[in-house]
Amino acid sequence: DGGITQSPKYLFRKEGQNVTLSCEQNLNHDAMYWYRQDPGQGLRLIYYSQIVNDFQKGDIAEGYSVSREKKESFPLTVTSAQKNPTAFYLCASSIDSSGNTIYFGEGSWLTVV
Amino acid sequence: RKEVEQDPGPFNVPEGATVAFNCTYSNSASQSFFWYRQDCRKEPKLLMSVYSSGNEDGRFTAQLNRASQYISLLIRDSKLSDSATYLCVFTSGTYKYIFGTGTRLKVLA
Repeated sequence: DGGITQSPKYLFRKEGQNVTLSCEQNLNHDAMYWYRQDPGQGLRLIYYSQIVNDFQKGDIAEGYSVSREKKESFPLTVTSAQKNPTAFYLCASSIDSSGNTIYFGEGSWLTVV
Repeated sequence: RKEVEQDPGPFNVPEGATVAFNCTYSNSASQSFFWYRQDCRKEPKLLMSVYSSGNEDGRFTAQLNRASQYISLLIRDSKLSDSATYLCVFTSGTYKYIFGTGTRLKVLA
């Protein structure tokens, strides 16, 4: 099946730990994104990548890091510097970054315990 | 003015009813517009793109009013399965998608 696969779906993290969320797409899309969704708020952009080996900070990049070594993969690391990491994280992709339809993975729920 | 505004609802409607949502945006340069559906604790899924001339997909009709800077979604003959949160999305320059907070719809039996 074509699509975007995120893992793990549920993750519990102790304070002070870094965690990495995986995102893989087989849609041959150039652009990939990471969003965070909190209750009652719209999706907020963490990082985006328009092409392999390039990525840019979004609106709330502090405490997060990414890499884009392969076209199909865009992992997100939530570092211990992120003060309030408990949220629903959504990976997305689009053919390019010119405003085409954006598609989402199933999301990852991160809870800090 | 906020970049995007949506009435959060919930809109509680009986089965078979017609319901409409609006979403206003502030960036007059926005080029692409979409409606997404998001079920509880799930990812957003594309419902339909919104074209300048308006477009229809079965029971769903989307319209764009550039002069007043809003998009609308009309759902006819509501089904129980239409219960969800509907997000408006538009683009603002390259890479940047602006998401509304969503309008919650509950269709009641």
